[in-house]
Amino acid sequence: GQNIDQPTEMTATEGAIVQINCTYQTSGFNGLFWYQQHAGEAPTFLSYNVLDGLEEKGRFSSFLSRSKGYSYLLLKELQMKDSASYLCARNSGGYQKVTFGTGTKLQVIP
Amino acid sequence: DARVTQTPRHKVTEMGQEVTMRCQPILGHNTVFWYRQTMMQGLELLAYFRNRAPLDDSGMPKDRFSAEMPDATLATLKIQPSEPRDSAVYFCASGLVDRVTEAFFGQGTRLTVV
Repeated sequence: GQNIDQPTEMTATEGAIVQINCTYQTSGFNGLFWYQQHAGEAPTFLSYNVLDGLEEKGRFSSFLSRSKGYSYLLLKELQMKDSASYLCARNSGGYQKVTFGTGTKLQVIP
Repeated sequence: DARVTQTPRHKVTEMGQEVTMRCQPILGHNTVFWYRQTMMQGLELLAYFRNRAPLDDSGMPKDRFSAEMPDATLATLKIQPSEPRDSAVYFCASGLVDRVTEAFFGQGTRLTVV
């Protein structure tokens, strides 16, 4: 992805908490998406942050710091079904120009 | 159950052949996106349509790729001639211009060019 960095792979244990970080280029920034993508399937929307701070949605939370060009996705009480790729994406430009990172492949182990 | 429909789901073709991928956006949606996903590059935006008009196709190789929306229920992405490096999963997504969080992806077309 263009100027979007996130770890390639992560492994975490069922029931634990995992944080997936994402850094991005701040110029022209409008908002930051997180998507989940299971193998062989389409990406599905998880969250969209426009303002700084933490937004919680069930077991998933997303944080944004616009000044630092930094976001993270926090997954709590991990379940095996959370094994998937998590894509960070930046919304920029005058319309919905969404640029994706290459994704973080999360493996949840028993 | 509203969803974005893409056809075909899988396509294997020989180098040099024309490939056409189709997308039916969710009824009422006024934005359509075409993305290409590979292991190396991730999801790349190829083209963006708003109210059937192409607004941005800067991510698309112009010499061989073309994207159109003949009507509000159909978006097409063509590759002519196809090359092995075009092998990827091509996703279509649709949404509403004023509701950026509600873009929905289709299941994708997995293209293999041999």
